[in-house]
Amino acid sequence: DTAVSQTPKYLVTQMGNDKSIKCEQNLGHDTMYWYKQDSKKFLKIMFSYNNKELIINETVPNRFSPKSPDKAHLNLHINSLELGDSAVYFCASSQIDSYNEQFFGPGTRLTVL
Amino acid sequence: QKEVEQNSGPLSVPEGAIASLNCTYSDRVSQSFFWYRQYSGKSPELIMSIYSNGDKEDGRFTAQLNKASQYVSLLIRDSQPSDSATYLCAVNIAGGGADGLTFGKGTHLIIQP
Repeated sequence: DTAVSQTPKYLVTQMGNDKSIKCEQNLGHDTMYWYKQDSKKFLKIMFSYNNKELIINETVPNRFSPKSPDKAHLNLHINSLELGDSAVYFCASSQIDSYNEQFFGPGTRLTVL
Repeated sequence: QKEVEQNSGPLSVPEGAIASLNCTYSDRVSQSFFWYRQYSGKSPELIMSIYSNGDKEDGRFTAQLNKASQYVSLLIRDSQPSDSATYLCAVNIAGGGADGLTFGKGTHLIIQP
């Protein structure tokens, strides 16, 4: 199946821990994104990468560090997790010359206790 | 500051009727406009994209764009109970590029059997 996939689907952890979320796309796209959807369902861009290069870094605490080993993968590492980090994190991908139609992964629901 | 406004609803429409969803945006240089459907607990699914003024039809869906009024709408004809979901309007400044989308908070649509 051609798609955007994420692991894990659910992540429950204690405050202060460090965790990672992985994303892979096999759509052949050159750009990948991380979005955060909070408890009020508001979806907001965090980062975008084009061909492994960071393009957008919105106002996100530096505890969040994205890493793109290649253009098909974009991981998100979060240090010193806080209660307010609880949200659903979506990965998305697009092709840079296609009017930026973005396709989303299934999401990772992060719960910080 | 880029803003996308939607009526949060719920918008209740009888089965078989036309559902009309509306969205306004603040940034005049916006070029690409998208409608995503999100079922509860699922990821956003791209259902329509529109880039020029006028109407674009795809099956039961019609997207309408009026750049002068900074207004985008989505019409769903012959509404089905399976159309019940939250519909997210999203806007992109550039026609392409690695920009994140700016999302509205979504309209919750309920199709009554």
